Amino acid sequence: LAKTTQPISMDSYEGQEVNITCSHNNIATNDYITWYQQFPSQGPRFIIQGYKTKVTNEVASLFIPADRKSSTLSLPRVSLSDTAVYYCLVVLGQTGANNLFFGTGTRLTVIP
Amino acid sequence: DAGVTQSPTHLIKTRGQHVTLRCSPISGHKSVSWYQQVLGQGPQFIFQYYEKEERGRGNFPDRFSARQFPNYSSELNVNALLLGDSALYLCASSSPGTEYGYTFGSGTRLTVV
Repeated sequence: LAKTTQPISMDSYEGQEVNITCSHNNIATNDYITWYQQFPSQGPRFIIQGYKTKVTNEVASLFIPADRKSSTLSLPRVSLSDTAVYYCLVVLGQTGANNLFFGTGTRLTVIP
Repeated sequence: DAGVTQSPTHLIKTRGQHVTLRCSPISGHKSVSWYQQVLGQGPQFIFQYYEKEERGRGNFPDRFSARQFPNYSSELNVNALLLGDSALYLCASSSPGTEYGYTFGSGTRLTVV
């Protein structure tokens, strides 16, 4: 599976839009890009998944350029409750066969 | 619908002891995976089971074992506990064809003293 690289930490003020970029240079044709959110002492929570172009749901948007070597998670108008660790994963197939490889993630801190 | 449930939520064991952690997947989910998360790091894959068969194994010693039961619940067993086994152990379930990835439980916090 392709290795992902994302910033270790980010700070943002409440109400701002936050964009977290992830690099996955070796992504394969059958791979999907998936993002998870994790609060302390809880399991990761699925946020969004995409293959190419743009995907939007009620929580976030995911932008994937044509070459698919990177992706950007966009969180609109963050609130204090969005403070968490965000993981970018490359998964085999839409449902992610076998294991998920989590890196260290991006620790987002939302400031009042 | 109940999510993925894990028990116990917290556990303290002594070095050398054995521990069994339990997981009940979301109803209808036939795949269960186990992850270990050490403080400050992302979850690390331990095992995946599907239809009671092992489908994947991470880079963990043989002290770690697991099984899945006919009702798709699962157990993770760790023998000869070491201090380094202290971690949050997460269980995740999934179902083929789902568009929503894996659903994780809240984990079992294991402390080895």
